[in-house]
Amino acid sequence: EPEVTQTPSHQVTQMGQEVILRCVPISNHLYFYWYRQILGQKVEFLVSFYNNEISEKSEIFDDQFSVERPDGSNFTLKIRSTKLEDSAMYFCASRTGFSGNTIYFGEGSWLTVV
Amino acid sequence: SQQGEEDPQALSIQEGENATMNCSYKTSINNLQWYRQNSGRGLVHLILIRSNEREKHSGRLRVTLDTSKKSSSLLITASRAADTASYFCATPIDNYGQNFVFGPGTRLSVLP
Repeated sequence: EPEVTQTPSHQVTQMGQEVILRCVPISNHLYFYWYRQILGQKVEFLVSFYNNEISEKSEIFDDQFSVERPDGSNFTLKIRSTKLEDSAMYFCASRTGFSGNTIYFGEGSWLTVV
Repeated sequence: SQQGEEDPQALSIQEGENATMNCSYKTSINNLQWYRQNSGRGLVHLILIRSNEREKHSGRLRVTLDTSKKSSSLLITASRAADTASYFCATPIDNYGQNFVFGPGTRLSVLP
């Protein structure tokens, strides 16, 4: 069964450093998402991306965050200057273009900012 | 903003018993999805139920949706230790059903 893949599975970075998290969505999907989950807390919506642009973003997704689909397969989340509070599991997800269809999630990338 | 809220926050049962988790939301939706998350792992999709559906089944899972009460329930029958996980409902944050937010989840522990 097709799946969303994410790399790296775990990254440790120094505060203030830039981080790029990578995702390969399912190939025929058109909507892409990033969510994050701080340890022990709920899954929070960050951003959705459709037709090569952001379609929705949350308050969490400030100027320090950006997303890109640099080629036909990858979808990346960049954090420009990481803070301690950015430590979390980041989930990429994708779905087809049909309204209300299932969102499929990757296994996540653990980001630890020290 | 639209958000599902699950209850209870935590549930502990014996193997073989049924587990029921509830999700309430605030505004009209066109669908609602249930997910499962094992500790430290990704989110696994369980069931999607549309607003014109009242009940859906998948194996030992049964989901109901009551749009008049703005609530949904997830029932796991004949639970197993392997069902131990957190369960989340996801609801759309817009009328198009394109973007979803998750509730805080129900942490289910099934004791052998």
